[in-house]
Amino acid sequence: QQQVKQSPQSLIVQKGGIPIINCAYENTAFDYFPWYQQFPGKGPALLIAIRPDVSEKKEGRFTISFNKSAKQFSLHIMDSQPGDSATYFCAASTSSNTGKLIFGQGTTLQVKP
Amino acid sequence: GAGVSQSPSNKVTEKGKDVELRCDPISGHTALYWYRQSLGQGLEFLIYFQGNSAPDKSGLPSDRFSAERTGGSVSTLTIQRTQQEDSAVYLCASSLLRRGNEQFFGPGTRLTVL
Repeated sequence: QQQVKQSPQSLIVQKGGIPIINCAYENTAFDYFPWYQQFPGKGPALLIAIRPDVSEKKEGRFTISFNKSAKQFSLHIMDSQPGDSATYFCAASTSSNTGKLIFGQGTTLQVKP
Repeated sequence: GAGVSQSPSNKVTEKGKDVELRCDPISGHTALYWYRQSLGQGLEFLIYFQGNSAPDKSGLPSDRFSAERTGGSVSTLTIQRTQQEDSAVYLCASSLLRRGNEQFFGPGTRLTVL
């Protein structure tokens, strides 16, 4: 019940394409859903996050769509660029608890020029 | 200001040796987390510190792993009698808890156990 399932494992798109990464969870106590971006040799960096009281959040070219009834959320990257090539992790946590993040397995994105 | 820093960046050790990994959180951040990232795996929670409260050690994989946080700031993760399966990147994150769960990660320590 603590798992967060992420798909696909890897993704290749052309520059300007819109990669979509999906995550699903079981624990209805989760109330915070961040996405992290990680480049090789670096720590994960917070990209965007959403709470379940909204269905969509946009920050620049990054959008989270959230479906509370389906217990799913996804990351969309508009007008993707080669510099977006990285590993993306979704995560979930319960703010009433320690706030420890439960991460998905990660998606390696390659954006071709 | 400065972000989360970790040292060393890389550590190679022999099976059976003890290792200590250090984390300096962002100044003023009251919450500190350790995670482990194994090759090809996601990030796995290890331990959480919040102020003077008892730490949440629920993610530590065995009693060979321990951590402490001195003075509410710097934290040390200790692995005793290292095993090859301990090889991973160990990541530290800190959070200003009143801002919710926004966690800022350090660059990690890559541990290789030969």
